[in-house]
Amino acid sequence: ETGVTQTPRHLVMGMTNKKSLKCEQHLGHNAMYWYKQSAKKPLELMFVYSLEERVENNSVPSRFSPECPNSSHLFLHLHTLQPEDSALYLCASSQERETGANVLTFGAGSRLTVL
Amino acid sequence: GQNIDQPTEMTATEGAIVQINCTYQTSGFNGLFWYQQHAGEAPTFLSYNVLDGLEEKGRFSSFLSRSKGYSYLLLKELQMKDSASYLCAGVDSNYQLIWGAGTKLIIKP
Repeated sequence: ETGVTQTPRHLVMGMTNKKSLKCEQHLGHNAMYWYKQSAKKPLELMFVYSLEERVENNSVPSRFSPECPNSSHLFLHLHTLQPEDSALYLCASSQERETGANVLTFGAGSRLTVL
Repeated sequence: GQNIDQPTEMTATEGAIVQINCTYQTSGFNGLFWYQQHAGEAPTFLSYNVLDGLEEKGRFSSFLSRSKGYSYLLLKELQMKDSASYLCAGVDSNYQLIWGAGTKLIIKP
């Protein structure tokens, strides 16, 4: 148990589908993150929430829509995705954001395949 | 631009020692992280260095040289369970994490 739980672990969807990824943490952390992990590429930061407020959006296409209803939950809503969006989507949380020693606790990820 | 370089893949023998190198170029510097990620699992925190020198944690040690923009992760007495990807990430002046692509470590008996 990593402290950050992601569901579903695997998702296959068509390009016209709408689906959502869910992330939950009960570590009392104030910041939550969505990352995209593709094979042999660096982690790509997608969204950052601090105290439920979105503080960063790294030029992510609008077909990805985040939602943070409270400090423990984070969603990534998916709509009209492309095959190149197939990847592992990692959620992470941390105590604070703007500090050097900002240790991230990651979930195991949601493996997304877009057909 | 900002960049983190680390080898794509390394192979080592059970019981041996392996050193995984990481060079970084960041706008400002607020430390460097190493994470371990087993296949299909979450990345987990290994170490954080912000001052020059070697920090040891059991079989794992991490080294930083800020003047050279260089770090390494040293794994001793390798075990089969150490087969994983090792991710290096630098922290820039805005506290943004700059990630490397990861080093896949294969341990052979």
